[in-house]
Amino acid sequence: KAGVTQTPRYLIKTRGQQVTLSCSPISGHRSVSWYQQTPGQGLQFLFEYFSETQRNKGNFPGRFSGRQFSNSRSEMNVSTLELGDSALYLCASSGQGFYGYTFGSGTRLTVV
Amino acid sequence: GQQVMQIPQYQHVQEGEDFTTYCNSSTTLSNIQWYKQRPGGHPVFLIQLVKSGEVKKQKRLTFQFGEAKKNSSLHITATQTTDVGTYFCARLNSGGSNYKLTFGKGTLLTVNP
Repeated sequence: KAGVTQTPRYLIKTRGQQVTLSCSPISGHRSVSWYQQTPGQGLQFLFEYFSETQRNKGNFPGRFSGRQFSNSRSEMNVSTLELGDSALYLCASSGQGFYGYTFGSGTRLTVV
Repeated sequence: GQQVMQIPQYQHVQEGEDFTTYCNSSTTLSNIQWYKQRPGGHPVFLIQLVKSGEVKKQKRLTFQFGEAKKNSSLHITATQTTDVGTYFCARLNSGGSNYKLTFGKGTLLTVNP
């Protein structure tokens, strides 16, 4: 069974640009969550989607957005990038009856 | 708020020594999950505890949930170099429109061979 796949693995962007990250959950998992990990703030929740609906959103500015497609794949977008957006962005999926999350390898975003 | 506090932040041990990390909350937890993240890796789910006083074991790892459901611990017996990584506790908020994990800051374990 394939795990959670995130692309790309690494990204370097310039301040002011926008970026789109992709996540393919485990087959059959309908819940997809996104987290930002930084050395200073740790792991912080961005948003969670289930069946194409955003069920919850973390305390991040509106520059951070996401969506989920009918096949459960999810994307997150960050517009007008700032230096502080440099982080590891992790996607996690969960299936019915299983309360632990399976994380992808993450996308390492560097904003210069 | 709904934060979970984790201590210690760092722990360095000699191989073969025991290790414990603690997770505390000011409010009652409905559940607690534990994850391990190897250096350069991603969090990997270890276990979920939901019952007051619950104790679960996975080989050399022992997980406990406090009687008041406000604290939890992870104990590793006779550490090995493969145990190196950051151990996170996390509470799962679920139900209604609230589905998210709130993570502690983690405990970084290093093991001297």
